[in-house]
Amino acid sequence: DADVTQTPRNRITKTGKRIMLECSQTKGHDRMYWYRQDPGLGLRLIYYSFDVKDINKGEISDGYSVSRQAQAKFSLSLESAIPNQTALYFCATSGGSGNTIYFGEGSWLTVV
Amino acid sequence: QKEVEQNSGPLSVPEGAIASLNCTYSDRGSQSFFWYRQYSGKSPELIMFIYSNGDKEDGRFTAQLNKASQYVSLLIRDSQPSDSATYLCAVNWGGGADGLTFGKGTHLIIQP
Repeated sequence: DADVTQTPRNRITKTGKRIMLECSQTKGHDRMYWYRQDPGLGLRLIYYSFDVKDINKGEISDGYSVSRQAQAKFSLSLESAIPNQTALYFCATSGGSGNTIYFGEGSWLTVV
Repeated sequence: QKEVEQNSGPLSVPEGAIASLNCTYSDRGSQSFFWYRQYSGKSPELIMFIYSNGDKEDGRFTAQLNKASQYVSLLIRDSQPSDSATYLCAVNWGGGADGLTFGKGTHLIIQP
């Protein structure tokens, strides 16, 4: 089983719908991240969390929200999805600042 | 805006040759540097990290860091077709900042 698990792996949703991407990890790491990847733009940080009481905005947080339900769970929500949020989304974890980041398998999201 | 720059490629290298991948970064105070490999549609996987100036070798891979020139590179010796992938350079800026900033990646093609 993967150490960082994302659900759903693929999702097609309509413009204006609310969508949640979930992430759980068994690595025991405190730090969790959400990135999105777009062709030609690379990986960009959306939000990150140091622990269950700490949430921080990343480079591109507008249009997104997150919830850290437990040390092992970090979810990303699109309150009202729009087509330019079509992307590959990755959850990731790390054991500390400057440490290696480990990625989940990714969630393909298409907004039509 | 702190940036990580990579040539997008594609970089085409004959099988068995040395592939050289380059990355520059904008903040002289950056502390840690990572190379990830990503196959199409898959999650990035860590190849190696480097913190100190000089070379670091791991099997067929060598990372080279020159902080004065703000330059980090990855050499792949005895290139194999299975090395064909996109290689992502990532930087932790330090100073309490978290997460990694990624370059857009270099697409490497190993020609049999």
